[in-house]
Amino acid sequence: KAGVTQTPRYLIKTRGQQVTLSCSPISGHRSVSWYQQTPGQGLQFLFEYFSETQRNKGNFPGRFSGRQFSNSRSEMNVSTLELGDSALYLCASSPGDLGHADTQYFGPGTRLTVL
Amino acid sequence: AQSVTQLDSQVPVFEEAPVELRCNYSSSVSVYLFWYVQYPNQGLQLLLKYLSGSTLVKGINGFEAEFNKSQTSFHLRKPSVHISDTAEYFCAVSSSGGSYIPTFGRGTSLIVHP
Repeated sequence: KAGVTQTPRYLIKTRGQQVTLSCSPISGHRSVSWYQQTPGQGLQFLFEYFSETQRNKGNFPGRFSGRQFSNSRSEMNVSTLELGDSALYLCASSPGDLGHADTQYFGPGTRLTVL
Repeated sequence: AQSVTQLDSQVPVFEEAPVELRCNYSSSVSVYLFWYVQYPNQGLQLLLKYLSGSTLVKGINGFEAEFNKSQTSFHLRKPSVHISDTAEYFCAVSSSGGSYIPTFGRGTSLIVHP
């Protein structure tokens, strides 16, 4: 099976712009979670989608949003970018939702740099 | 609220020596516990997880961890490390009731010297 893929791998934006990141889960996986990884804050949970519904949301402002499509692919959007949004954004997929504690498979991430 | 503390930010060790990476957590409810490894420019890979049952958990690549409820710890061990084990290791906890949102530790950089 192909692993989790994330596009693009690298992205440079300027403050105030918006960005959309994409994640394709492993075939058959219905849960997609997003994480932000920074040197200062470490790994932080953004949100989880399962069967097109947001199941859980981390402590991030409303500028961070996401969605999941019927084929389980997911996108996350960040509007009005700030310098502090520079981070590695990781996507992870699993067969069931987080409550089942299924193994999460991570993609390689999208490195976002905000100038 | 739950939290995770990885007591060492960096652990240097020589090849073929044993290693222990320490993790302590706090939570007011029952927990699931995880260890992940991250190699440079890659995402995370699950090494092992504790959900319930036996407190000694065996994972991939020769790693194992022991859940100690009284000490709220979940230390990761390997009896003999290789150069290829050089990576960042993350401990994570999620509550087995409630939102299941995982909380990660700040990571431990394992550096294996020849």
